[in-house]
Amino acid sequence: DTAVSQTPKYLVTQMGNDKSIKCEQNLGHDTMYWYKQDSKKFLKIMFSYNNKELIINETVPNRFSPKSPDKAHLNLHINSLELGDSAVYFCASSHWVQAQETQYFGPGTRLLVL
Amino acid sequence: AQSVTQLDSQVPVFEEAPVELRCNYSSSVSVYLFWYVQYPNQGLQLLLKYLSGSTLVKGINGFEAEFNKSQTSFHLRKPSVHISDTAEYFCAVSSYGGSQGNLIFGKGTKLSVKP
Repeated sequence: DTAVSQTPKYLVTQMGNDKSIKCEQNLGHDTMYWYKQDSKKFLKIMFSYNNKELIINETVPNRFSPKSPDKAHLNLHINSLELGDSAVYFCASSHWVQAQETQYFGPGTRLLVL
Repeated sequence: AQSVTQLDSQVPVFEEAPVELRCNYSSSVSVYLFWYVQYPNQGLQLLLKYLSGSTLVKGINGFEAEFNKSQTSFHLRKPSVHISDTAEYFCAVSSYGGSQGNLIFGKGTKLSVKP
């Protein structure tokens, strides 16, 4: 059983389109995250959700919106895609939203904007 | 604010040789320290973490790391590497007592193990 899963694995789309990436965790965790990994492999946190409440929102354009229908899911919706959005997006989860908690990562979604 | 510096972007090494991947951090508060590994086309998984106590931390796959507060370092070591250790390794920190689970990552070190 996959602990943290993401769909789709690959996403190729045109500039200006709107797309969503889905994430599900079956670990019973309370907190989920979205990270962006750029072409140089640099990872930066975008959002986290704890019990369906947004608790981190780094300096991410408001074209990006996380949506959490329940504790096991955190989807990422992106409006008006731009070339610079091309990256690998990772979902992660942790038991609690504490700094010492291990985060469990999904396999990533590779987004290419043309 | 915290930051993490991984001094080597790439480390090539022969199989069965020892390896050290260097990580230094900067923070005005105490931190927790992590090493994550990313195998090709996969997500990250935890190798080990330092929370408190003994400064030598043992992780999975024979890796260990030593926390050095005075040098603000958390270097990762393995005495004998295998081909299967070829991957990207990320050092990360989070603030002690922080309630947001915010991990700050270094830029990664690509370990290439050659036969």
